[in-house]
Amino acid sequence: DAGVTQSPTHLIKTRGQQVTLRCSPKSGHDTVSWYQQALGQGPQFIFQYYEEEERQRGNFPDRFSGHQFPNYSSELNVNALLLGDSALYLCASSPEGAGAWRDEQFFGPGTRLTVL
Amino acid sequence: DQQVKQNSPSLSVQEGRISILNCDYTNSMFDYFLWYKKYPAEGPTFLISISSIKDKNEDGRFTVFLNKSAKHLSLHIVPSQPGDSAVYFCAASAGSYQLTFGKGTKLSVIP
Repeated sequence: DAGVTQSPTHLIKTRGQQVTLRCSPKSGHDTVSWYQQALGQGPQFIFQYYEEEERQRGNFPDRFSGHQFPNYSSELNVNALLLGDSALYLCASSPEGAGAWRDEQFFGPGTRLTVL
Repeated sequence: DQQVKQNSPSLSVQEGRISILNCDYTNSMFDYFLWYKKYPAEGPTFLISISSIKDKNEDGRFTVFLNKSAKHLSLHIVPSQPGDSAVYFCAASAGSYQLTFGKGTKLSVIP
């Protein structure tokens, strides 16, 4: 079992550009969450996708958008990049079920985004 | 405004001794709490959790204590091992699909 995989590992962009990050969930998982972890901070919840719909969103602007595909993989898109978007972006997957998304949430290694 | 606070950025403990990591929260709506461990270049790994209806949960060497009146929880690791050296995050849920994390505490277990 490959676990949660994310691509790319590292990415460098300039201000104003757009970026797409990708996530493949752990086998058997159908729920995907995205987090932003700035340097020295804990992960901050961006949004969660289930059944190809965004069902919960954290306090992030509309520049952050996502998508979930029928195979449960997911993308995170960030438009009009700002210097402050530089962070580690973590994807987490979990199986659906009462409370399962909390205790059975597996994280990927993340994508390190640097905005210059 | 940080709703989950881990006030100790780092902690050093001798191998075999007890490690105690602390976490405070401000949101009284939080009803479920989790601890994650993170090694460098890896994603966080779920360690242990506790519901607000309990005050203690044990799993092997790891025990989490919850004091709701003080809005405080702690993670005890006994005995501490060098492999426990990592960053530990406290997280909380308020009945939604969102987890709120603290900033983390870096634990170093000295052989």
